[in-house]
Amino acid sequence: NAGVTQTPKFRVLKTGQSMTLLCAQDMNHEYMYWYRQDPGMGLRLIHYSVGEGTTAKGEVPDGYNVSRLKKQNFLLGLESAAPSQTSVYFCASRMGSNNEQFFGPGTRLTVL
Amino acid sequence: KNEVEQSPQNLTAQEGEFITINCSYSVGISALHWLQQHPGGGIVSLFMLSSGKKKHGRLIATINIQEKHSSLHITASHPRDSAVYICAARQGAQKLVFGQGTRLTINP
Repeated sequence: NAGVTQTPKFRVLKTGQSMTLLCAQDMNHEYMYWYRQDPGMGLRLIHYSVGEGTTAKGEVPDGYNVSRLKKQNFLLGLESAAPSQTSVYFCASRMGSNNEQFFGPGTRLTVL
Repeated sequence: KNEVEQSPQNLTAQEGEFITINCSYSVGISALHWLQQHPGGGIVSLFMLSSGKKKHGRLIATINIQEKHSSLHITASHPRDSAVYICAARQGAQKLVFGQGTRLTINP
């Protein structure tokens, strides 16, 4: 099993550009999450999904959209990137509400 | 004040020393997670516990629900244990509140 994978690993954008981050898991997990990690702050939840076709807002959802069209994939979109979205983005998944989370390797995004 | 506080923020020790990292939380939780973030950035789940104590190899995690406090211990520490250790409190079904992490450096 590959576990949780993220594409791309690194990306540099200009302000106003759009992009999509892809998270894929091959463990048949129901729940998937997108977090951002910034220096001096703990991980913060952007959006999450409790199953195929469902999404919900987390702690810091503004400026991001998500989709979960297939159970194994969770996409994070930035429609108009801003420098404040420069961060490391982590995807995670877990089987159920009483299970541990498995994290992807992260995507380092820089917005100029 | 953060809902989840870790101490110390940075810890440097010699190989072989017994390590303790502390986590205090101010919110009601359903579980407490300990994570390890490697120097390369990857995050691995070490423990998820809601009471008592868990052990995995040289790692031990304890939690005191009444005192809202958890500790992560590393016995016989090794340079490969150098990483950032993160505690996270689970509130309800989905929300994880993360501490800022403890950077551990083990010197040979």
